[in-house]
Amino acid sequence: GAGVSQTPSNKVTEKGKYVELRCDPISGHTALYWYRQSLGQGPEFLIYFQGTGAADDSGLPNDRFFAVRPEGSVSTLKIQRTERGDSAVYLCASSFKGGASYEQYFGPGTRLTVT
Amino acid sequence: AQSVTQLGSHVSVSEGALVLLRCNYSSSVPPYLFWYVQYPNQGLQLLLKYTSAATLVKGINGFEAEFKKSETSFHLTKPSAHMSDAAEYFCAVSLVTGGGNKLTFGTGTQLKVEL
Repeated sequence: GAGVSQTPSNKVTEKGKYVELRCDPISGHTALYWYRQSLGQGPEFLIYFQGTGAADDSGLPNDRFFAVRPEGSVSTLKIQRTERGDSAVYLCASSFKGGASYEQYFGPGTRLTVT
Repeated sequence: AQSVTQLGSHVSVSEGALVLLRCNYSSSVPPYLFWYVQYPNQGLQLLLKYTSAATLVKGINGFEAEFKKSETSFHLTKPSAHMSDAAEYFCAVSLVTGGGNKLTFGTGTQLKVEL
């Protein structure tokens, strides 16, 4: 079956612009996670959705970052007033449910470059 | 807070030699531990996980890891390296909050396999 997909695969934007990154999870997966991977680092947790609600957004770095999952499937990560430090690969993962016994399946990521 | 430390950002082995990638964790509660592999331009793939059952965990592609509480370690091994094992490997510990499985990753180890 289809895995987790993310669009676009690459996004170049100018400092100060607004961007949206999309994640399509595996069908039927209720849990969805966003991570950010900076160059030379491991992924860092941003936000976790269970269904439509954000159950844990403790990893969002500041109020420029926001994410939604209005119908409990597709999620969009939104970044306002982008800064050069936002440049990273943004990874999305989904799992059947939220517990540790459920494997997280990762998408290929969106590489964001802020110039 | 939970964290993982991966010793050695780059490891090089000969084809057919033992692979040993080191991971030490810090956790205030019994941890769940994971190893992921990342091939270029691909998403993270789960190799194996420890969730408090058997301390020796077998994963895909011939990899295994042993949970050693006394050493707070979860090192990844493979008896005989193959060229296709060249990739980046991440150790992760999970914190189950709000029903979710938030992963905290190490900084990764790049494995190179030489003829």
